[in-house]
Parts: sequence; C-alpha cells; structure tokens
Amino acid sequence: AQSVAQPEDQVNVAEGNPLTVKCTYSVSGNPYLFWYVQYPNRGLQFLLKYITGDNLVKGSYGFEAEFNKSQTSFHLKKPSALVSDSALYFCAVRVVSGGYQKVTFGIGTKLQVIP
Amino acid sequence: DGGITQSPKYLFRKEGQNVTLSCEQNLNHDAMYWYRQDPGQGLRLIYYSQIVNDFQKGDIAEGYSVSREKKESFPLTVTSAQKNPTAFYLCASTAGQGPFNEQFFGPGTRLTVL
Repeated sequence: AQSVAQPEDQVNVAEGNPLTVKCTYSVSGNPYLFWYVQYPNRGLQFLLKYITGDNLVKGSYGFEAEFNKSQTSFHLKKPSALVSDSALYFCAVRVVSGGYQKVTFGIGTKLQVIP
Repeated sequence: DGGITQSPKYLFRKEGQNVTLSCEQNLNHDAMYWYRQDPGQGLRLIYYSQIVNDFQKGDIAEGYSVSREKKESFPLTVTSAQKNPTAFYLCASTAGQGPFNEQFFGPGTRLTVL
C-alpha cells in the first residue's frame, strides 16, 4: 500500500525567509510525486512534479522540490517566502497498480507567511 | 477557456435525500476523479474513471454512486446511505493514461446536511 506523510500540520515563516514543507512517501515501484496548493474554498492547483531525472524540480511561483530516493522524501522549498504563499499545500504520490492508477494525497500542511 | 466546472458551489441536503453533484470538463481528458475533503484528513478518493463507461471505487465509495456516459461529464450522487456527507467535494481530471500527468481540479462543491 502506498502512503504519503506530511509531518507538520502548519509551518510558520517570516516573509523573505526560505521555506520548507516536508513530505515523505512509501510506495512499491517507481513513485511519481506531485505538489499542489489550495487557497481557501478553492480547488487544488498543480505546482510541480517529479517523474525521473534531475532530483531538483522547479515549478510555478518560484517553488522547487528536492527528490531524495534514499530518504523517500520530496520536500517543497522556496528561497524567499511571500505573504501570498500562505495556503494549504498537499503532497501526492501516484503509482500504477493492476492496470489502474492510484493517487494518494497527504493530509496537507498549512503554510503561514508572517509579514 | 479550458477547465473543470462543478455545480452547484454550495448545496444543502435534508437527511434522507439523494443529491447529485455535477462535474464537467472541456479539457478532453480521459480520466476523472471525485475526492472528498474534510478538515485535517486531506483528500480521500471516492470514485475514479479512466475511460467512458468504466469507473472504479476509491477508498470511501460507500454511500456514493457515479456514472460516466460521456467523456466530459462525471456526476457524483450522494445517497441517503452516506451517513456523514457534509464535506467539500472536489472533481479532478487527468490527460492521457500515464501516471506522470498532473491532475486538474474544479473549484469544488460544499455540501451541508441540514
């Protein structure tokens, strides 16, 4: 069974400081990893994904994520946080099982950027 | 504009009623999904469909039903058998059959049982 863990319910960071939102996963087989962002009462928006190749993935709005196979992690990062980055962030893993694709989401991490 | 639309945005249901949530996409995507979102629980998969006339149960399918008669439409019915249906419901779609494609989400429907 696949699973995704986001160990922090909330992350607080001062505006201008670097931010990290953590994600670890457990799958059998090759993982396809995704980060999404959700603003209040809205659907999720895709930020970035890791499929294969370079371990550092760059995405939308200046976000990036580092894939670490040995630590089974896919942490989301940004060098300088903005107040507008405050939102709920979800990590997701996707695998193919029995001919069907299955996506598992983490429970989400609320990012609060303090002015 | 291409995208996913969900209607209504807010829905109120009396106990014992069935209600249907609409999801339409004009992205020409093959796969469509329904998720339920509750505070502190993230997204849980209700049903998914990879092609027309085919769908599979997700992790919490009990009390829900779906149909996929057209590629662009994937309505979700919340039946009276669903004991705690108050939640935020999200529809999503994905292009193609590969696992490496990201999901596109609709704006959601908030269902409240009165």
